[in-house]
Amino acid sequence: NAGVTQTPKFQVLKTGQSMTLQCAQDMNHEYMSWYRQDPGMGLRLIHYSVGAGITDQGEVPNGYNVSRSTTEDFPLRLLSAAPSQTSVYFCASRTGDYGYTFGSGTRLTVV
Amino acid sequence: AQTVTQSQPEMSVQEAETVTLSCTYDTSESDYYLFWYKQPPSRQMILVIRQEAYKQQNATENRFSVNFQKAAKSFSLKISDSQLGDAAMYFCAYSTGGSNYKLTFGKGTLLTVNP
Repeated sequence: NAGVTQTPKFQVLKTGQSMTLQCAQDMNHEYMSWYRQDPGMGLRLIHYSVGAGITDQGEVPNGYNVSRSTTEDFPLRLLSAAPSQTSVYFCASRTGDYGYTFGSGTRLTVV
Repeated sequence: AQTVTQSQPEMSVQEAETVTLSCTYDTSESDYYLFWYKQPPSRQMILVIRQEAYKQQNATENRFSVNFQKAAKSFSLKISDSQLGDAAMYFCAYSTGGSNYKLTFGKGTLLTVNP
């Protein structure tokens, strides 16, 4: 039981490049979400999903795309990276008792 | 929209002493959940304690306890017998019940523990 697995842990991108942050969970959780963490801002919700085929926007969705083709995976896509997307990204899934399990995070730098 | 406010960007405590971190929230919901998360330098998000709004009894987990004041919309975290390993960023978070699973976080309080 690995919990929530995020890859990569670190990434440097050039402005305009695209990439996908991977998130996988093996707990059969229906709910998954992506957050970004910036200094002094806490964690802010980017996108979330309540099940396969269902996604919705959070507080800061611009510049990011998601899809949910399986219960296990919830990738986050940056279509054209910008320096403003430099951040630490967390994936989280929810248990039935309203507890959330977080991945270990991805530190992304856009230069 | 729900908001969570942590008014103390930084706090410090002496080892073995007690410290209280403040959190207030704004909601019109009656069914909700409150959380405190710890984020050490490893950046892993660790659940410290959880409180269901319908429970009047304050949650306790070993040295960690909360003071939940529902009418005042206040949810403070008390750490007793502080240890060096308690040094971390602490986030207060809110989630409604039912099918709305979104977590709303405060901006965090950085706790320093002095030996």
